[in-house]
Amino acid sequence: EVQLVQSGVEVKKPGESLKISCKGSGYTFITYWIGWVRQMPGKGLEWMGVIYPGDSDIRYSPSFQGQVTISADKSTSTAYLQWSSLKASDTAMYYCARHGGGGAMDVWGQGTTVTVSS
Amino acid sequence: EIVMTQSPATLSVSPGERATLSCRASQTVSSNLAWYQQKPGQAPRLLIYGASTRATGIPARFSGSGSGTEFTLTIRSLQSEDFAVYYCQQYDNWPPWTFGQGTKVEIK
Repeated sequence: EVQLVQSGVEVKKPGESLKISCKGSGYTFITYWIGWVRQMPGKGLEWMGVIYPGDSDIRYSPSFQGQVTISADKSTSTAYLQWSSLKASDTAMYYCARHGGGGAMDVWGQGTTVTVSS
Repeated sequence: EIVMTQSPATLSVSPGERATLSCRASQTVSSNLAWYQQKPGQAPRLLIYGASTRATGIPARFSGSGSGTEFTLTIRSLQSEDFAVYYCQQYDNWPPWTFGQGTKVEIK
């Protein structure tokens, strides 16, 4: 079964760093783009960026460039999304998803809730 | 950046009726358009890709049409499990691959 499994709930304080993960299984991890999507409470979906684990090619949405870092570890079939200094406005659900052969996001992780509060 | 605009924001439909959702792109995206369904507390699920191709396991009552800048998702004979929020997304021009703001389909 093709699946993406994300790391668990995070509660952090402003200014702290964070790295959340997304582990792929059931398919050849390095041959599909993995994207990250933000969903703020009660709001819609925002595409943040993607990584191609095969060669670590990374593309960011202009809205998120410089705000987050996307990476991947081929050896563990895991993609990551990280922040160096969290803000309260980073409070959201974060999803990873596989971009299928056509580009659409065909397999989704279960989501990671990030809460940033003092 | 391509802006995706969905209408209406909310659609009230009775079970068994047809729902028609619209998505407009600010510039052409060819047929590189997907539709997703999201239920409360769940991750989004891919319904349609390539503007009109149903994803694996998606019932035939869901259909997509359009190309260029105008797209439609039609849900024929709404079932109780279809009440959800629906998003369109273009994946023609990136970054970013933008989503629309969503259409909530609610029970009338």
